[in-house]
Amino acid sequence: DTGVSQNPRHKITKRGQNVTFRCDPISEHNRLYWYRQTLGQGPEFLTYFQNEAQLEKSRLLSDRFSAERPKGSFSTLEIQRTEQGDSAMYLCASTSGAETQYFGPGTRLLVL
Amino acid sequence: QKEVEQNSGPLSVPEGAIASLNCTYSDRGSQSFFWYRQYSGKSPELIMFIYSNGDKEDGRFTAQLNKASQYVSLLIRDSQPSDSATYLCAAISGGYQKVTFGIGTKLQVIP
Repeated sequence: DTGVSQNPRHKITKRGQNVTFRCDPISEHNRLYWYRQTLGQGPEFLTYFQNEAQLEKSRLLSDRFSAERPKGSFSTLEIQRTEQGDSAMYLCASTSGAETQYFGPGTRLLVL
Repeated sequence: QKEVEQNSGPLSVPEGAIASLNCTYSDRGSQSFFWYRQYSGKSPELIMFIYSNGDKEDGRFTAQLNKASQYVSLLIRDSQPSDSATYLCAAISGGYQKVTFGIGTKLQVIP
């Protein structure tokens, strides 16, 4: 399967801990997006990479959030000092620039 | 005001009927529009995209776009129970192709 993969699929953590998620896009896709989705809502844009450059970051992304895409391949999203409000599904999507974004299975985070 | 508006539903239709899902958007700079299907607990799955005014058909699905009215719709013909899911409307705009999603409409197809 050469689709978008995300790890871990589920993460339970205690408030105040740091967590890191990984996304491996489709290999030929140079654009990568992170979204957050809470229950009953559509995905909300967090940040966007073109190759290794982070070109846009949502105001939703507080300074506790950081994302990287070293070498323009996989990407990581780190949340520091997690809060209960961070509980959500974190989705990664990639595209080659043809507009259609393909989503990974998501990482479901629960902050206790 | 959300940039992409959808009725959250649920929209209930009997099996075999046509389901009509609607979406409006506020950003006239939006270039392309997508319909994603999302089953509970799963990630969104692309159904169709459309960027020109008019209709686009793919199997049982027809997407309709009216840029003057800022309106997008998805018709599902011969609805099946397996079509029961949340349907997300999304609009793409801007140089970095920001995608803005609606809240999603929950569709229930009754056998």
